[in-house]
Amino acid sequence: QEKVQQSPESLIVPEGAMSSLNCTFSNSASQSIWWYQQHPGKGPEALISIFSNGNKKEGRLTVYLNRASLHVSLHIRDSQPSDSAVYLCARGTNAYKVIFGKGTHLHVLP
Amino acid sequence: EAAVTQSPRNKVTVTGGNVTLSCRQTNSHNYMYWYRQDTGHGLRLIHYSYGAGNLQIGDVPDGYKATRTTQEDFFLLLELASPSQTSLYFCASSAGALDTLYFGAGTRLSVL
Repeated sequence: QEKVQQSPESLIVPEGAMSSLNCTFSNSASQSIWWYQQHPGKGPEALISIFSNGNKKEGRLTVYLNRASLHVSLHIRDSQPSDSAVYLCARGTNAYKVIFGKGTHLHVLP
Repeated sequence: EAAVTQSPRNKVTVTGGNVTLSCRQTNSHNYMYWYRQDTGHGLRLIHYSYGAGNLQIGDVPDGYKATRTTQEDFFLLLELASPSQTSLYFCASSAGALDTLYFGAGTRLSVL
């Protein structure tokens, strides 16, 4: 069964620091990878997606995808307390499903 | 903006009870999904659908039925609820297969 693994489980950073989150997947099927953000009591919201190898920047967010190593990372520059949330990595599968990792809990300390 | 509405927001039932969770989306999306979210497991796909009358089996379908009555409405049915089904349930929709998912606010279900 295809899997998505995320690390670390929890990350604590001071305000203004760079937050770096990692995701690995079990095979290199060519579907998009997404990062979702989930605040307590809310449903996940899509942050950024990437399809091609390389990087993609949107505001304070940068995503790096390396399909050969089955790895994608999310970097949040100048982290803010409002960035504190659970971050979920997701990918499409050959069965036209979207599967998720277990998430990384990010805590940004003021 | 995409809108996915789930009801009820909270539900308590007893073991063996009947529960229906409802989801309506107003985005004209073709795909709809039911996930459950549990500590230690993350989001797991129960059932999904790519149109009215269509149903596809997800990764954890046992004990659940689903029906897609219209393009807008997707229901999750627990006919003999068990404590193992205590969870936070999310509905989501997307325009096409493998497009961005738009989630509802979730339904917290407790089976006593």
